[in-house]
Formats: sequence, structure tokens, C-alpha cells
Amino acid sequence: DIQMTQSPSSLSASVGDRVTITCRASQTISNSLNWYQQKPGKAPKLLIYAASSLQSGVPSRFSGSGSGTDFTLTISSLQPEDFATYYCQQSYSLLVTFGGGTKVEIK
Amino acid sequence: QLVESGGGLVRPGGSLRLSCAASGFTFSDYYMTWFRQAPGKGLEWISYISSTGATKYYADSVKGRFTISRDNAKNSLYLQMDSLRAEDTAFYYCARDQGYYSDSSGPFDYWGQGILVTVSS
Repeated sequence: DIQMTQSPSSLSASVGDRVTITCRASQTISNSLNWYQQKPGKAPKLLIYAASSLQSGVPSRFSGSGSGTDFTLTISSLQPEDFATYYCQQSYSLLVTFGGGTKVEIK
Repeated sequence: QLVESGGGLVRPGGSLRLSCAASGFTFSDYYMTWFRQAPGKGLEWISYISSTGATKYYADSVKGRFTISRDNAKNSLYLQMDSLRAEDTAFYYCARDQGYYSDSSGPFDYWGQGILVTVSS
């Protein structure tokens, strides 16, 4: 299976901060990388697919980049509703796998 | 919209059948997937079924114990869970495969609200 490693596992930030989360794959996955946001008690929400394509309806402050093994999710200006856990997920293999998550908390 | 049902408390070794009712899209056009998430833990893919139901895949952790199926006439997805273990305790989510990746699976653009399965004596 392809292992996905996210860092950091948690971070504290303030409203208006620029936040960057990284995701590394254990082998090259081209651009087959998706990002999700999950709030407590809720289902995950798709934010970014194919490494950098913004899902319809997702605010433009979210962006993704990377290819091969290293990927980044950036929130350009953190908003109160963005405090949540973020997961990367690879779609290179039929047996999809997720990163361990990054919890974004209020500083 | 996706709505799961059928969860609850079951004893180790028991069985449970989850259902996922779909609405608002042409269900028969999409591959569907089940995920789970143990309380306070990360997301785990467990099974996938093609749009016709002809192709199915399972994670090693559930292979031989869980069976995915669908009824396109009823716009419904199912997960039959047998020989349940304590480590199967989790929230279970059904999700729609957007179909962007032609040779793979995902991304998953619509998710159910999740349903809790607790395996305990």
C-alpha cells in the first residue's frame, strides 16, 4: 500500500494567518492527490483534487500544489470556519489511503 | 444526498448490514465506496464497488468478512458485515466516487453523515 505522511500533525494559528500543510507519499503518485476538511462530528468535505484543482464551491483561499511525492495544502488567510482537521488522500492506487490528518486549532 | 442507516451495537462475532440511500443524482452512473473512522482516529478505506456492481475491492482488514453490494433500482448501497470484531468499531461512511481518475478511485465528492457501529460484549 502507498503510505501517506502528513506534517505537522497539529498546529495552532490565528485568524488571518497563512497556513501550510504538507503531505508526502511513500512512492511517486503523479498528481493523484486529494485534500479533505473534516469538522468534529461531520463527514469529510472534498477541497482539492488532482493536487491543485479546487472543488466547486470551495473558497479560493484554499490551494494545493505538488507532484510526485511531495504535496502542499495552503490556506492563504485562515478564517474561523477553517478550524478543522485536514486529510490528504492518494488516488494513484485503487486501494486509496489517507494521511494521518493535521488538526488546525485556534491560537 | 447520501444517508446511512443500520448501525448500532453488536456483539463480537455478530453481523450487521449497513445501507446507504442515495438521492439527487443518477446513482447508477457512479462507483461507490465505504470508509470508516474509529473514534478520534483517521480515515480508512474499506470497500469499493463499480457502477454496475460487477467489480468490488476490499481492504485486507475486512476481506472475507464484509460484502459490498448495490441495488441501482433502489438507489441504494449496502455493506454486509459478518464476524465483527472490537476493532471494527467505528463511524462508517458511504461516499460517491467523482470519477476523475480513469485508472483509479476518487476523489470522493459526496459523503453520508456517518453511522456508528459498536462491537462490544
